[in-house]
Formats: sequence, structure tokens, C-alpha cells
Amino acid sequence: DILLTQSPATLSLSPGERATLSCRASRSVSSYLVWYQQKPGQPPRLLIYDASHRASGIPARFSGSGSGTDFTLTISSLEPEDFAVYYCQHRNNWITFGQGTRLEIK
Amino acid sequence: VQLQESGPGLVKPSGTLSLTCAVTGGSISSDNRWIWVRQSPEKGLEFIGEIDHSGIVFYNPSLESRVTMSIDKSNNLFSLKLNSVTAADTAVYFCAREAEPAVRHYYGVDVWGPGTTVTVSS
Repeated sequence: DILLTQSPATLSLSPGERATLSCRASRSVSSYLVWYQQKPGQPPRLLIYDASHRASGIPARFSGSGSGTDFTLTISSLEPEDFAVYYCQHRNNWITFGQGTRLEIK
Repeated sequence: VQLQESGPGLVKPSGTLSLTCAVTGGSISSDNRWIWVRQSPEKGLEFIGEIDHSGIVFYNPSLESRVTMSIDKSNNLFSLKLNSVTAADTAVYFCAREAEPAVRHYYGVDVWGPGTTVTVSS
């Protein structure tokens, strides 16, 4: 099935900085890609669907882009609560997740 | 809609892991898919399987031989059984709802339970 590869594995930034996270699919997924945020002890939280649409209640500093095989999640100006692990996900025959990018405070 | 997992937190090796997910605030008979996902440090987030309101299932091929999912519409819940467990099945297990399908859109998994930790150990 389709493999999702996220990079970098860990991203160290400071509050106020811009974060750029990448997800690459092993073959085209059109725009059928989703992003989640997960904090310790919590389930994943839906951030972005259809590659670029914010889910309900998600702040405007989160944006998604891309189509085909290359996708980006951008956080324009990091808030303290944004430091978490981020996953991309696609559904083909079944649901697959990327391995995650840990966004940590520098 | 809210989801809540329940079941034993400890299962013996070679035994059967059994979990239930109660759906509240909405009907399990909607057009959503109801899914199970597990998470471990070794494998990250791993899709286990899905079931719809008709009882149609799809399992991750890597687990298919050991997984059974069922749905109980009268009690608004769905269940997971994983047999012949080993230490590798130790994980946090999430039940979740995949958004209703739409043509030319994919809305993702929009509702998650809090997760339950299952440890396989004697």
C-alpha cells in the first residue's frame, strides 16, 4: 500500500518561529491527505483535511499545502501549545499514517 | 459524538484482547466507518481495522488473521478482538470515527476515544 514518509523526525524551534513539516507519499494520493497533532496522553487531533483545509476550530496559523506526493504542514508562528507530534495520514485501501515529526522547543 | 474504549488492561500471552467502544451523542448507524488504531513506540500509529453500520469489515492485512470486529447497533457500540497476542501487541488502543465519505474529498478521522493501554504480559 502507500507509504507516507515524514521529515524531519524532530524539529527544534522557538516560540514565534515558523515551522515547516513535510510528508511524502510513495505514489500520488491526489489531495486526499490529512494532518493530525498529538500531545502526550491524548489521541490525535484532526488539523487539516483534503491537504489544505483546516478542520473546525483549528487556528489560522496552521496551514497545509501540496498534492500528489509532496505535502507540507506550516505553522506560521509557533505558540507554546503547538509543541507536539504531527502525523500525516491517507486512506487508500486502508488507513496509513506517517511515522510522525516531533516538534520540540529549542 | 464521543467515543470511550473499555476492556482489560492486561492480557496474557497467547490470550485474546477484547475491547469495546461505546458511541455517545450520535448514532453508530450513520455512514461513518468505525475504526481501531493502536499506538506503540515501536510501530507508531497502526490501523487495525474498520467496520461500517452494515457490519462490513476491513482489516489491516498484517493483522487480518487474528482480528475480529463487530458492531452492536442496539447498544451503539463496536468491538475488537485480537487473538494469539504477544508482547508486540502491547500498545495504546484507540477507537475512532472516520468522517462520512464524500466524492472527491477525504475528511479524515474526526473523532477519537481517549485511548486505553493494553499490556500483554504473564
